Amino acid sequence: EVKLVESGGGLVQPGRSLKLSCAASGFSFNDYWMGWVRQAPGKGLEWIGEINQDSSTINYTPSLKDKFTISRDNAQNTLYLQMSKLGSEDTAIYYCARERDLPYYFDYWGQGVMVTVSS
Amino acid sequence: DTVLTQSPALAVSPGERVSISCRASEGVNSYMHWYQQKPGQQPKLLIYKASNLASGVPARFSGSGSGTDFTLTIDPVEADDTATYFCQQSWNDPPTFGGGTKLELK
Repeated sequence: EVKLVESGGGLVQPGRSLKLSCAASGFSFNDYWMGWVRQAPGKGLEWIGEINQDSSTINYTPSLKDKFTISRDNAQNTLYLQMSKLGSEDTAIYYCARERDLPYYFDYWGQGVMVTVSS
Repeated sequence: DTVLTQSPALAVSPGERVSISCRASEGVNSYMHWYQQKPGQQPKLLIYKASNLASGVPARFSGSGSGTDFTLTIDPVEADDTATYFCQQSWNDPPTFGGGTKLELK
């Protein structure tokens, strides 16, 4: 069974940094692209970015490219999202998801982790 | 960025057929995918590449379209289909999602 479990969320002050983790199991992690998507409270989905199997290709939505960094550790079957210079606009549920390449869609999603940016 | 426009909400009766539309601001070939999100849950893949049914998804769900206009159809609708449905395109960078259509049952 494919399982994705996010962790590392919580309350963080504006301007600070936070690193999210996504533990994967039930599939061969190093065979798949992975991605992050977020959802502000009561809002729609926002594509954050993706990373390929060996981390040689990492893509971001332009508005977040200077704030967020995606990485992975295939030995630990874990995906990461490093977030910096956080603002209230970054308050959201953050989902990690497994991505199928060509045509690049998310076939499995984690349950999400809440990040609240507030003083 | 490619903007995907969806109707905000629809209300249908169980047993009826419903079509949920998604219009792209520019062509996306057939790289359109559909997700279902129930309250408090993560999104779930329904349809990929416009018309391909994801594994385990009931055949009541189907997708169609190409270019800029796409449709997710549920026939017949069941009570359990109450959810928000999102389209997503992955042809143009960056990938984008529609605002979602909230489906309510009468």
